[in-house]
Amino acid sequence: GAVVSQHPSWVICKSGTSVKIECRSLDFQATTMFWYRQFPKQSLMLMATSNEGSKATYEQGVEKDKFLINHASLTLSTLTVTSAHPEDSSFYICSARGLEYTQYFGPGTRLTVL
Amino acid sequence: QKEVEQDPGPLSVPEGAIVSLNCTYSNSAFQYFMWYRQYSRKGPELLMYTYSSGNKEDGRFTAQVDKSSKYISLFIRDSQPSDSATYLCALRFTGNQFYFGTGTSLTVIP
Repeated sequence: GAVVSQHPSWVICKSGTSVKIECRSLDFQATTMFWYRQFPKQSLMLMATSNEGSKATYEQGVEKDKFLINHASLTLSTLTVTSAHPEDSSFYICSARGLEYTQYFGPGTRLTVL
Repeated sequence: QKEVEQDPGPLSVPEGAIVSLNCTYSNSAFQYFMWYRQYSRKGPELLMYTYSSGNKEDGRFTAQVDKSSKYISLFIRDSQPSDSATYLCALRFTGNQFYFGTGTSLTVIP
């Protein structure tokens, strides 16, 4: 149980385009999901917390207009990187808060912006 | 001072060794304690979760929490090459705010 999927697992896009990443909780409902960014050999950096049906809460320094988060249902949250640039290239990981007050992580999405 | 401190390693041990991974924290209000394992280019995987002082065992893994010392540990017995990964501790008060350690890189040498 407590499986979280992410799609796509990797994506390459041209600079200036937008990319959408989906995060789904497959076997449980998640009122809260989290989006993280991780650079090589570094720890997780929380970008935002999304609650189903309401606006996401962004961490300081994260541009909400650039990283659009939508949590439209109890099993789906999406992160859209708008007008992507090479510096947005990173490993993006979502997680969903389960009933046991912990987080279950997706497998991550590797974004490369050319 | 960071909320959670974790030695980044790297830690290298021979197969079969007992591994000890540790985190310290500064705020006594933390109530929930977790350990995650992350393989390279993968999302973290929950290994252990506890909310009280003492030990919790699951197979070769034992999580230990000492609230009086603000210290948590993860022990891995009979370590295997497949245990080679980065291990993250995570702590939480109530609510949604989680605090992660920076992760300890572990290599188990066959």
